[in-house]
Amino acid sequence: KAGVTQTPRYLIKTRGQQVTLSCSPISGHRSVSWYQQTPGQGLQFLFEYFSETQRNKGNFPGRFSGRQFSNSRSEMNVSTLELGDSALYLCASSLSLTDQYFGPGTRLLVL
Amino acid sequence: GIQVEQSPPDLILQEGANSTLRCNFSDSVNNLQWFHQNPWGQLINLFYIPSGTKQNGRLSATTVATERYSLLYISSSQTTDSGVYFCAVDLGPARQLTFGSGTQLTVLP
Repeated sequence: KAGVTQTPRYLIKTRGQQVTLSCSPISGHRSVSWYQQTPGQGLQFLFEYFSETQRNKGNFPGRFSGRQFSNSRSEMNVSTLELGDSALYLCASSLSLTDQYFGPGTRLLVL
Repeated sequence: GIQVEQSPPDLILQEGANSTLRCNFSDSVNNLQWFHQNPWGQLINLFYIPSGTKQNGRLSATTVATERYSLLYISSSQTTDSGVYFCAVDLGPARQLTFGSGTQLTVLP
């Protein structure tokens, strides 16, 4: 069974731009979560989607948004990028109430 | 929110040594997982262990939910065990993992 895939793997943007990251979960998994990892703040929860509905949202500004499609694939969008948005963005998928499996991540650098 | 503390923050071992990593959490949890983050950033599932004991090869884990802690044991460590080990918990039902700050393990040849 294929694992969680994320695209793109690396991205360089400039301040003020926007970016869209994509995540394809493990087949059959309906829950997709997004996390941000930075050296200063560690791993932090962004949001979780289940059956196209956002079930939970972390403490991030409204510039961070996401959505989930009917095939469970998810995208997250960051608008008006700031230098502090440079991070590794990780996506995870899970069945309803079991452990989460992470993708390889997207490394975003904001210049 | 729930607090997750991991100790020690750094650990340096000689190949072949054993080690114990600890994770304390501040509230009752529905889910507890241990991960190993490799140098490329991939988080690799080690254990899903909200309670009890599990073993997988040289690794084993024990969670004592009533006392709010979990332990990860690594025996006969190898250089490939190097990396950061994270403990993460969630309260359920939505999937929202709260991660500890990790233990940076370095295994020397």
